[in-house]
Amino acid sequence: NAGVTQTPKFRILKIGQSMTLQCTQDMNHNYMYWYRQDPGMGLKLIYYSVGAGITDKGEVPNGYNVSRSTTEDFPLRLELAAPSQTSVYFCASRIRDRGLLEGQETQYFGPGTRLLVL
Amino acid sequence: KQEVTQIPAALSVPEGENLVLNCSFTDSAIYNLQWFRQDPGKGLTSLLLIQSSQREQTSGRLNASLDKSSGRSTLYIAASQPGDSATYLCAARGGYNKLIFGAGTRLAVHP
Repeated sequence: NAGVTQTPKFRILKIGQSMTLQCTQDMNHNYMYWYRQDPGMGLKLIYYSVGAGITDKGEVPNGYNVSRSTTEDFPLRLELAAPSQTSVYFCASRIRDRGLLEGQETQYFGPGTRLLVL
Repeated sequence: KQEVTQIPAALSVPEGENLVLNCSFTDSAIYNLQWFRQDPGKGLTSLLLIQSSQREQTSGRLNASLDKSSGRSTLYIAASQPGDSATYLCAARGGYNKLIFGAGTRLAVHP
């Protein structure tokens, strides 16, 4: 298994440009997440999905959009890039196994996409 | 609103020392508390997960404890090695599948 993969690794955007950050997992996980990590800070949740066709907002959703058309893919879209969106973006996934008690599962993280908006 | 704080922000120690990293959270209604390791330019790796009903978890030289009533968790690293140098993040899992992260403790273990 490749686990959680993210592309690109690094990107520079100009203010007002748009782009899509790609995230794919091959573990057949139900839940997927997008986080951002600013320098010296912890991760903050942007959006999450509990299954194909279902998405919901996290702590910091403004300026982003997501879709979940398949179990494997969870792309994050930036429509009008702003300098405040300069950050490292992490995608994560986890299984929701009904054989596990709630709280037994862990999230698996991708390597991140470093985004610089100038 | 859940807030997670980690102390210290940075730590530099000689090889062989035993270490304690601290994590505190404001809302005790959590499903679990997790500790992650983050290496520069890399993603996060889960180290230990303590369910809300548990008091501690151990993996090799790592031991994590959880005291929900006081809103605290500690990560104990025994006999530290240079390979332990990384940033350690704790995260509290609350409702709606949300992990709330602390800002991390940057650890440097020098030979």
